[in-house]
Amino acid sequence: DQQVKQNSPSLSVQEGRISILNCDYTNSMFDYFLWYKKYPAEGPTFLISISSIKDKNEDGRFTVFLNKSAKHLSLHIVPSQPGDSAVYFCAAEGSQGNLIFGKGTKLSVKP
Amino acid sequence: DAEITQSPRHKITETGRQVTLACHQTWNHNNMFWYRQDLGHGLRLIHYSYGVQDTNKGEVSDGYSVSRSNTEDLPLTLESAASSQTSVYFCASSDSRDNLGNTIYFGEGSWLTVV
Repeated sequence: DQQVKQNSPSLSVQEGRISILNCDYTNSMFDYFLWYKKYPAEGPTFLISISSIKDKNEDGRFTVFLNKSAKHLSLHIVPSQPGDSAVYFCAAEGSQGNLIFGKGTKLSVKP
Repeated sequence: DAEITQSPRHKITETGRQVTLACHQTWNHNNMFWYRQDLGHGLRLIHYSYGVQDTNKGEVSDGYSVSRSNTEDLPLTLESAASSQTSVYFCASSDSRDNLGNTIYFGEGSWLTVV
C-alpha cells in the first residue's frame, strides 16, 4: 500500500499563475517531507523540505505547506515559469533514513 | 566539484545475464542508495547502505545485490537479468541520517533494457 500519494499524474498551468501540487501520506510517524524536481534524462534534484514542527516553509517562488491533521502537504509555485515544467516528486523520510516517494506529478507551464 | 556518477548511462542486455551498474560519489557521504523509476510507480528503493560493509534491502530488492567495500562506491548487481528489471536506475547519496533531506544527491541515471 502506498504510503505517499500524489493523486494527480499531471497539471497544466499558464505562465505567471500559481501551480499547486498536492501530496497525501498515510503514516503519521513521518516527520520530514521533501519535494524533488526531475527533468527528462536527468536525476531528481532537491527542491524544498519541511519538518513536521512547521506548517510552512518558503524558498523564493516555492512554498511548501504541511497539514499534519489531514496528512497532506502541498507545493506552491508562484509565479509559474516555463522552466518549471518537470515531474515533481513528493517524498517522506522513512524510519530507516531512506526516502519514500510518491508517483510524481508532471507539471506543464504554458507560455 | 564533488559529484555522483553512474555508469553505464545506457545498457542493453539479454535475459539471464549478470549486469553491474556502477555508482561513485566524491562527497565522502556515508549513506548511499539505489532507486528504480518506472512509469506508474515513481521512485522505489532497491538497496541502501549507511557505511562500509553495511547493506540493507529496500522495497524492491529481489533479484538485486549491492556491496560496499569503500565509502565512494555502491555497485548494483542484477544476478540474472529479467525483462521486469528494464528500468531507469538512480543512485543517490547523503551525508548523514539527520540531514538526509537537505543533502541527498542523485546521479544522472542508468537506463537498462533487458531483452
